[in-house]
Amino acid sequence: EIVLTQSPATLSLSPGERATLSCRASESVSIFLAWYQQKPGQAPRLLIYDASKRATGIPARFSGSGSGTDFTLTISSLEPEDYALYYCQQRINWPLFTFGPGTKVEIK
Amino acid sequence: QITLRESGPTVVKPTQTLTLTCTVSGFSVSTSGVAVGWIRQPPGKAPEWLGFTYWDDDKRYSPFLRSRLTITRDTSKNQVVLKMTNMDPVDTATYYCVHLYGDYADHWGQGTLVTVSS
Repeated sequence: EIVLTQSPATLSLSPGERATLSCRASESVSIFLAWYQQKPGQAPRLLIYDASKRATGIPARFSGSGSGTDFTLTISSLEPEDYALYYCQQRINWPLFTFGPGTKVEIK
Repeated sequence: QITLRESGPTVVKPTQTLTLTCTVSGFSVSTSGVAVGWIRQPPGKAPEWLGFTYWDDDKRYSPFLRSRLTITRDTSKNQVVLKMTNMDPVDTATYYCVHLYGDYADHWGQGTLVTVSS
């Protein structure tokens, strides 16, 4: 089973600041990694897939990078609606498409 | 516009079988390339893939739950049904129906919280 580790667990930032979230895989997942955003009481929303491709309707301030075992989600300038929980997920290893434990982005 | 809606019981007793129905719109579950799956999320925890079915009825299940899961399609109703046997309190979670794009969940239902309790 491929284990995904996300850091930090919590990120405290002010609006307008840059957010950098990390996801590390226990073995290579090539580029087959996605990022999801989840707000309280809502379903997750796909932000980034295949490491760097923005999903439909996702603002350009969200960007993804990385390959192999190390990945980054960057939010260039935090908007009030970006404070949420963020999960990474790999899809190279079915039947075990695992999610990471999440990073919470909170208002500083 | 793609939408998915889960329906089913909110409470089940231990050892019972859970049956959830996903009714989709905006696409057909039998159109080539389409896949619909199920993901669950225990309270305060990360999501967990359960399984999914392709348009050609090919199915994939989580190996941890494979013996308890069955996913079927009803093409006449444009629905996907999840059955999970022998429910336990640890199966308490929000269950989501999802549309897959390239094996990623690009559209999600609102989710339904299922509590396992006697």
